[in-house]
Amino acid sequence: AQSVAQPEDQVNVAEGNPLTVKCTYSVSGNPYLFWYVQYPNRGLQFLLKYITGDNLVKGSYGFEAEFNKSQTSFHLKKPSALVSDSALYFCAVRVSGGYNKLIFGAGTRLAVHP
Amino acid sequence: DAGVIQSPRHEVTEMGQEVTLRCKPISGHNSLFWYRQTMMRGLELLIYFNNNVPIDDSGMPEDRFSAKMPNASFSTLKIQPSEPRDSAVYFCASSSSGGATWEQYFGPGTRLTVT
Repeated sequence: AQSVAQPEDQVNVAEGNPLTVKCTYSVSGNPYLFWYVQYPNRGLQFLLKYITGDNLVKGSYGFEAEFNKSQTSFHLKKPSALVSDSALYFCAVRVSGGYNKLIFGAGTRLAVHP
Repeated sequence: DAGVIQSPRHEVTEMGQEVTLRCKPISGHNSLFWYRQTMMRGLELLIYFNNNVPIDDSGMPEDRFSAKMPNASFSTLKIQPSEPRDSAVYFCASSSSGGATWEQYFGPGTRLTVT
């Protein structure tokens, strides 16, 4: 069965420090992986995706994610966190043969402190 | 592009009443998804359509819930009768299964409160 795990409910980071939000996955076949961000009272916004190619994927707002096949991970990173990055982050994996159905992780709340 | 449009943005209703949530997907997208988000259960997929046909409704919680997609530009999620435990934020999302984009785009959601 395909699944996604986000092992941390919350990540706390000081502004200006690098941040990492963790995600591991389990799929059959090649993984199609995604990160979304949700700000308060808003819908989920697409940040970036890995389909194939370079293991380091760059996305919106300065975020990037590193695909690691051996560790089945797809961690979200940013070199320097901003207070405005504080939000709920979701990792997702596409279900093969599922018309772009995504399985979402439980979400990780990122809190960036001034 | 206007993005995914949902209406109403907020709905407050009394238990037992019928509630209809509406969604207009992004033009050209042929897959549409309905989700529900609560603090307790997180983000749940309720049902999804491809080319206006329901593909998987296994996430629909009860027979009180129904969804339709009469054409490529409109979908509804109906709850009849509504109950307090249906209170949640309901999201609609759309994507294109024909191209190589894969990602879903979400609407702003409808916050439903059932009293």
